[in-house]
Amino acid sequence: DIVMTQSPDSLAVSLGERATINCKSSQSVLYSSDNKNYLVWYQQKPGQPPKMLIYWASTRESGVPDRFSGSGSGTDFTLTISSLQAEDVAVYYCQQYYSTPHTFGQGTKLEIK
Amino acid sequence: QVQLVQSGSEVKKPGASVKVSCKASGYTFTSYAIHWVRQAPGQRLEWMGWINAGNGYTKYSQKFQGRVTIIRDTSASTAYMELSSLRSEDTAVYYCARAPTTAGAFDNWGQGTLVTVSS
Repeated sequence: DIVMTQSPDSLAVSLGERATINCKSSQSVLYSSDNKNYLVWYQQKPGQPPKMLIYWASTRESGVPDRFSGSGSGTDFTLTISSLQAEDVAVYYCQQYYSTPHTFGQGTKLEIK
Repeated sequence: QVQLVQSGSEVKKPGASVKVSCKASGYTFTSYAIHWVRQAPGQRLEWMGWINAGNGYTKYSQKFQGRVTIIRDTSASTAYMELSSLRSEDTAVYYCARAPTTAGAFDNWGQGTLVTVSS
């Protein structure tokens, strides 16, 4: 199984500041035949299901604010929120869909400082 | 708009089975896959398995192999996940989620179904 490890486990950032969350996979999730990284970022608020933000590691889902961006390739990935807003308080998860089981990171709890 | 609506909360005794439904609307049900993911208290999201809603192909996580069954009813645009031999560690919120039938991220999720296993 591919193990997904996020860092940090929790993060407190001031409003308007940048937030950066990292995700590392135990093996590459870059598929050579299509040169795509099979990595997605979700946002989960209390009492709600996860919401897809970024897929293929860097493609923003329609309707997601452009302050959210994803980067990285192979085994190392980053979710960046360029200017934190109050509504961004949530837990963020990365997930690989390169192979089954489609494993998730442990989550990063993002709070306002 | 795409919607996945799950059945309501369940309370089960250890050893029993539970069947959770996931009714899809707003898209062609048979053109996508349905995945099942659970979230136990304080634990990370855990993938359980998936079904190709078009041809019925299924694949399960080894962790749940033999205990989980995923089926679909195309006439009702509904997928079902049944988990048997329940134990207290199966207490969790269970989600269904839509994805492409080829590999893809989960772009729409159900609201979740709380399953509580308690004697």
